[in-house]
Amino acid sequence: AQTVTQSQPEMSVQEAETVTLSCTYDTSESDYYLFWYKQPPSRQMILVIRQEAYKQQNATENRFSVNFQKAAKSFSLKISDSQLGDAAMYFCAYRTLYNNNDMRFGAGTRLTVKP
Amino acid sequence: EPEVTQTPSHQVTQMGQEVILRCVPISNHLYFYWYRQILGQKVEFLVSFYNNEISEKSEIFDDQFSVERPDGSNFTLKIRSTKLEDSAMYFCASSEWEGTGGHYEQYFGPGTRLTVT
Repeated sequence: AQTVTQSQPEMSVQEAETVTLSCTYDTSESDYYLFWYKQPPSRQMILVIRQEAYKQQNATENRFSVNFQKAAKSFSLKISDSQLGDAAMYFCAYRTLYNNNDMRFGAGTRLTVKP
Repeated sequence: EPEVTQTPSHQVTQMGQEVILRCVPISNHLYFYWYRQILGQKVEFLVSFYNNEISEKSEIFDDQFSVERPDGSNFTLKIRSTKLEDSAMYFCASSEWEGTGGHYEQYFGPGTRLTVT
């Protein structure tokens, strides 16, 4: 079974600085999707960024980028120029390529942004 | 931008009572999901639904749970006899379709906080 591990329950960053959130996963599959979701205090989960495992290029979305290391099964999220609005719970998630049914989430990392 | 909506935002019920959580997925989506998040814990998959039937369910989704799409817009999760441990945030999600190259993103609703007393 696929598992997703986020080893940092909490992280903090100074406003305008850069922070990296870690995520590792376990799978025997070669093709899959990885996601980072943001869950602010309002509790609605919002997709931040996604990565297809068959793409070597790391995904980027404005200030958000990932470091996808397929061999190491690592999928970290880098937030550059952190803003107060980035404060939230961040979940790493895994989904197989051929089954849209079951998204596996990590335990989450709570990010605090200090002004 | 289209959104998944959920009602109510907070539901309080007594142990043993039935509850129905409601979701309105994005209108052109075909796949629907329920997830649960117990306070302080990770989000857990409950069930997926496609073409008016359950596509996949987790071990959490036992006989106390059921899902239904009673009309063309709503997607409901029913818990027949609630237990204290059912207290959690319940998220509905929907996606357009599956498959390689298709739209695989699941859009989440804001959640319903269920409190069982």
